[in-house]
Amino acid sequence: EDQVTQSPEALRLQEGESSSLNCSYTVSGLRGLFWYRQDPGKGPEFLFTLYSAGEEKEKERLKATLTKKESFLHITAPKPEDSATYLCAVQGVGGGNKLTFGTGTQLKVEL
Amino acid sequence: GAVVSQHPSWVICKSGTSVKIECRSLDFQATTMFWYRQFPKQSLMLMATSNEGSKATYEQGVEKDKFLINHASLTLSTLTVTSAHPEDSSFYICSALAGGAADTQYFGPGTRLTVL
Repeated sequence: EDQVTQSPEALRLQEGESSSLNCSYTVSGLRGLFWYRQDPGKGPEFLFTLYSAGEEKEKERLKATLTKKESFLHITAPKPEDSATYLCAVQGVGGGNKLTFGTGTQLKVEL
Repeated sequence: GAVVSQHPSWVICKSGTSVKIECRSLDFQATTMFWYRQFPKQSLMLMATSNEGSKATYEQGVEKDKFLINHASLTLSTLTVTSAHPEDSSFYICSALAGGAADTQYFGPGTRLTVL
């Protein structure tokens, strides 16, 4: 059974204070690892897909990296508008297109 | 691109009534859509996979007679919660598999269901 564990559960940063969110996973053959952002009362917004160890993707202040056991979402010089819950999900071989989600990291960026 | 809408965004109903939620892919065709529910402070739990023109596949523990799913076209899937009870109150979110990047799910904005 695929499993995803995210840490920390919650993170409070000052504006401009860079940090990283962790996503550890176990899956029987990784098809893809996904990062989403979810604002309160909204559906998840797609950020990145990573397919193989060593892959990196960037979007504005966000950079996602992948190893064989975990993924990191690095946030550089965050702004208050980056405050949200960040969700990690994996798609395993043999599971069709199903996603298994972690419980998320709730990020709050303060002025 | 890859926009998914849901209607209604929120609904309040009495116990015992049925509620229908629509999920539409606005700018792409989706042969596969998914339905999730999310409780406060918890992550998304997959309820069922909806394939256009065929019966939905339900996850273990999800009552298929209670949560009716219909995927009649390449842009529309519906979830009907039948004989709703207060314990069915939750945030229901759909997603659609985009054709270009076939393994990426794009999510709708969600529907907040409250059963009194």
